[in-house]
Amino acid sequence: DVKVTQSSRYLVKRTGEKVFLECVQDMDHENMFWYRQDPGLGLRLIYFSYDVKMKEKGDIPEGYSVSREKKERFSLILESASTNQTSMYLCASSETGTVMNTEAFFGQGTRLTVV
Amino acid sequence: AQSVAQPEDQVNVAEGNPLTVKCTYSVSGNPYLFWYVQYPNRGLQFLLKYITGDNLVKGSYGFEAEFNKSQTSFHLKKPSALVSDSALYFCAVRVSGFQKLVFGTGTRLLVSP
Repeated sequence: DVKVTQSSRYLVKRTGEKVFLECVQDMDHENMFWYRQDPGLGLRLIYFSYDVKMKEKGDIPEGYSVSREKKERFSLILESASTNQTSMYLCASSETGTVMNTEAFFGQGTRLTVV
Repeated sequence: AQSVAQPEDQVNVAEGNPLTVKCTYSVSGNPYLFWYVQYPNRGLQFLLKYITGDNLVKGSYGFEAEFNKSQTSFHLKKPSALVSDSALYFCAVRVSGFQKLVFGTGTRLLVSP
């Protein structure tokens, strides 16, 4: 069974803290993604990575950074958490190359609250 | 820009009745379309995808979707709804040349007993 695992289901952090969200996949996928989900806005892409140490900005990268030191792990970093970053964060992975028809597999989500 | 639209925030249907959740898309080139479902406090689960070929695509849990190129639509359907189908449904399109998915805003399906 394919698996994308996010390290925390729920997190509460204080404004100004540095926050790390971790994601691990066991499918040997090249592509990994971080989305945030907000009511009425759907899923918005923050960052994605198509290889180790490679990253691309998504639609809303401001206030975030990412790290991909190993193929199976993709970390999202909030450099200085703010209350407007309170959200559900979803990690996903997919196969790569010219294969456009592969679906993405999602983790269970991390609900982050910044107080 | 490539995008998908889900015009309904919520769809209500009685158990046993057919259901439709609407999705329209805007892409350049061939569309690669997906439906996902999300249960409360969970990640997204893949339901089905359209790549090419038959316009009627069958997926998990009895769901199917109809691809209509002239109307640029990819509506999700099920002949007989179950209460357990109540969830949040997302339509998505893969952006040409990239591996990322662009999602719609989601439609909440509520199936009443």
